Amino acid sequence: TQLLEQSPQFLSIQEGENLTVYCNSSSVFSSLQWYRQEPGEGPVLLVTVVTGGEVKKLKRLTFQFGDARKDSSLHITAAQPGDTGLYLCAGPYSGAGSYQLTFGKGTKLSVIP
Amino acid sequence: DVKVTQSSRYLVKRTGEKVFLECVQDMDHENMFWYRQDPGLGLRLIYFSYDVKMKEKGDIPEGYSVSREKKERFSLILESASTNQTSMYLCASRRTWRGSEAFFGQGTRLTVV
Repeated sequence: TQLLEQSPQFLSIQEGENLTVYCNSSSVFSSLQWYRQEPGEGPVLLVTVVTGGEVKKLKRLTFQFGDARKDSSLHITAAQPGDTGLYLCAGPYSGAGSYQLTFGKGTKLSVIP
Repeated sequence: DVKVTQSSRYLVKRTGEKVFLECVQDMDHENMFWYRQDPGLGLRLIYFSYDVKMKEKGDIPEGYSVSREKKERFSLILESASTNQTSMYLCASRRTWRGSEAFFGQGTRLTVV
């Protein structure tokens, strides 16, 4: 079973602060994705990282895929209340089950104005 | 605008009732999924389907069944609803490719009383 561990589970910060959340596994993933879920809604894709060591930026969000493709991080610069939500990482099962995704349990972020 | 649409946003059912949750996608995706989401437990896969009339059990299939008679529609059935099936239910679809995005519906908040 390919498990994804996310940390921290909860994070409450003031507007303007920086933060980093982590997604770790003992398994190698061919790609990893980050989703954000707002209360009462389904998750929405933020980014997909495919290459080991890859860094992608989405405005104030920076995503990194570990060199060994076993971990990923999401860094938010100058957090805003609109960043509040549940951040989930996900990766495809290997081999024949690649149409399935496994999800971490998520990091619940609250940004206080 | 691509869409996954779930038939109900909120449902309240009585213990023992048979419950149908419907999901429709308009992206011609091969794969469709049903998850339940509970605090602290993350997204857990109930069932998925990789083709019409094909289905596979996920991590927690007990008490549930599914139907996929048409490519665009995937139904989740609670044969005899119980209070421990009170949860948020999320439908998703995606293509069969390691980096493809999962598109989620808005979720159905089911309460069994």
